Amino acid sequence: DVKVTQSSRYLVKRTGEKVFLECVQDMDHENMFWYRQDPGLGLRLIYFSYDVKMKEKGDIPEGYSVSREKKERFSLILESASTNQTSMYLCASRRGREWSNQPQHFGDGTRLSIL
Amino acid sequence: AQKITQTQPGMFVQEKEAVTLDCTYDTSDPSYGLFWYKQPSSGEMIFLIYQGSYDQQNATEGRYSLNFQKARKSANLVISASQLGDSAMYFCAMREGRGGGNQFYFGTGTSLTVIP
Repeated sequence: DVKVTQSSRYLVKRTGEKVFLECVQDMDHENMFWYRQDPGLGLRLIYFSYDVKMKEKGDIPEGYSVSREKKERFSLILESASTNQTSMYLCASRRGREWSNQPQHFGDGTRLSIL
Repeated sequence: AQKITQTQPGMFVQEKEAVTLDCTYDTSDPSYGLFWYKQPSSGEMIFLIYQGSYDQQNATEGRYSLNFQKARKSANLVISASQLGDSAMYFCAMREGRGGGNQFYFGTGTSLTVIP
């Protein structure tokens, strides 16, 4: 089974801090994704990566950056945390660059609170 | 325009009954894939079922089936013989195109409650 592991289940940080959310997958997947999930808004894509050192902006990249130095690890960085970044953050990975029926596999999520 | 629309914020179903969760999508790409995920209160997203735009048959996986009506751009999830453990949020998602772009578009979800 695919295993996507997010470093923290719950995290509390202060306004202005630099925050790192880590995600590791163990299935050699090419593609990795970061979403935030807010009530009534569903999942919104922040960034995704289809290869090491490659990244693409999603729908809401402002205030975030990402890093993918190794294939198995995809990090989300909040450069200067703000209270409106309090949310549930979900990491996902997926096999294949080409179109296919492969689903995204998700981690358990990180509930981040910015005080 | 929304790529994925789920118009039912909340649904209730009696245990052992069937329930249909609605999903409509918007794309001009002839090649796309549709996915359904379940999210229990614990938070993990669980992949349930997939339907490709060129698939001739409706997808089925155990008690889950997808009612795919291409002309109407709808991909409704049908859960048969509901169980208490089916209580969760359900998300419909779409992936467009071949090659290149890997973005998935998610709906806002439907909260399903199964009543004993």
